[in-house]
Amino acid sequence: EADIYQTPRYLVIGTGKKITLECSQTMGHDKMYWYQQDPGMELHLIHYSYGVNSTEKGDLSSESTVSRIRTEHFPLTLESARPSHTSQYLCASMRGYEQYFGPGTRLTVT
Amino acid sequence: GQQVMQIPQYQHVQEGEDFTTYCNSSTTLSNIQWYKQRPGGHPVFLIQLVKSGEVKKQKRLTFQFGEAKKNSALPITATQTTDVGTYFCAGPGTGANNLFFGTGTRLTVIP
Repeated sequence: EADIYQTPRYLVIGTGKKITLECSQTMGHDKMYWYQQDPGMELHLIHYSYGVNSTEKGDLSSESTVSRIRTEHFPLTLESARPSHTSQYLCASMRGYEQYFGPGTRLTVT
Repeated sequence: GQQVMQIPQYQHVQEGEDFTTYCNSSTTLSNIQWYKQRPGGHPVFLIQLVKSGEVKKQKRLTFQFGEAKKNSALPITATQTTDVGTYFCAGPGTGANNLFFGTGTRLTVIP
């Protein structure tokens, strides 16, 4: 199984703050993804990357941005957090056709 | 737009009972994947089906791909408490290597 790491695991932050959610993987996978998932609901793709310096927006519109400067690192940034951003954010990488997910970051914006 | 619906949305079963979740797509799928997410956990890949009418088994789980490649079923026989979680199907999404996840079926097993 791939090793996908996400930090922080839990974050409570006030409105207007800038935050960066970290995601890293040690398997050298080129394809990486960010999903947003509300409790008990389906996963929505918000960003993806097929390699270094490649990033695309996903199916769900998001005010977040991503970068891919290194293969192993795919951080997600919210410039100004709002209560509507409260959700779980899952990072994943792909090997072959299989996606491997990190443990997720549960974000609460007060 | 693309829609992948799963039914039921929730299911409570007594331990030992059988259970089936169904996945229905509005479009023909080149393949379908199944993932399981335990409560508080992250999705974990279970299987991929590619061929029309394909059936694969993993112990008490049977994965089925419809003949028209627009639906899939996951029957679980003799459920156990370890089966608790949300089961998601996923088809190809926009982008060559993306997935579009279904709405999920949350299974609760009562001991």
